[in-house]
Amino acid sequence: DAKTTQPNSMESNEEEPVHLPCNHSTISGTDYIHWYRQLPSQGPEYVIHGLTSNVNNRMASLAIAEDRKSSTLILHRATLRDAAVYYCILRDPLNRDDKIIFGKGTRLHILP
Amino acid sequence: DAGVIQSPRHEVTEMGQEVTLRCKPISGHNSLFWYRQTMMRGLELLIYFNNNVPIDDSGMPEDRFSAKMPNASFSTLKIQPSEPRDSAVYFCASSRTEFWANEKLFFGSGTQLSVL
Repeated sequence: DAKTTQPNSMESNEEEPVHLPCNHSTISGTDYIHWYRQLPSQGPEYVIHGLTSNVNNRMASLAIAEDRKSSTLILHRATLRDAAVYYCILRDPLNRDDKIIFGKGTRLHILP
Repeated sequence: DAGVIQSPRHEVTEMGQEVTLRCKPISGHNSLFWYRQTMMRGLELLIYFNNNVPIDDSGMPEDRFSAKMPNASFSTLKIQPSEPRDSAVYFCASSRTEFWANEKLFFGSGTQLSVL
């Protein structure tokens, strides 16, 4: 069973910020929160990951709730090239048997 | 860095034929993963290797599927005999270590397999 819950789809206007939510109410204290995205006809690509603190990189920001039961991927200024399926995934470094489950993700549509 | 390289990009075959998918991980990466993606089931982990050794093959659907990693720079996923329900996109991914909780997974472009 997927350990994260994401909306099936979202829409955003080009050049506006996008906030993609992810709920993970059963997260353990050692789970890392990862985000990947999959552009059409391509393999998934890494976006960002974090444990407790908010994280920023050139692609996006990751805001993690204080109780860690949810997180938000923030694209600061969406472009048409950001249209993709975004996956929120938990990964426990202490559990070798932990299955890497991508789930259905959120399909992000960018409106020109 | 060339990234994870998969071949062929597309494969069309007839039911009953043997299919071999190939993957070259990123140099220096010790872990390799094979995934399958379909509309119905999404991305499924089939098997992963660490230091060329299969660690978890519980996702391999049945005995018709087999995977090998004879060396650090090459892996194959074989389906024999192939069936129409095997039609999917097969992705290979690699990471520096198997403990990718704090690592990045790098995916190849995938092999689109169609079994007629």
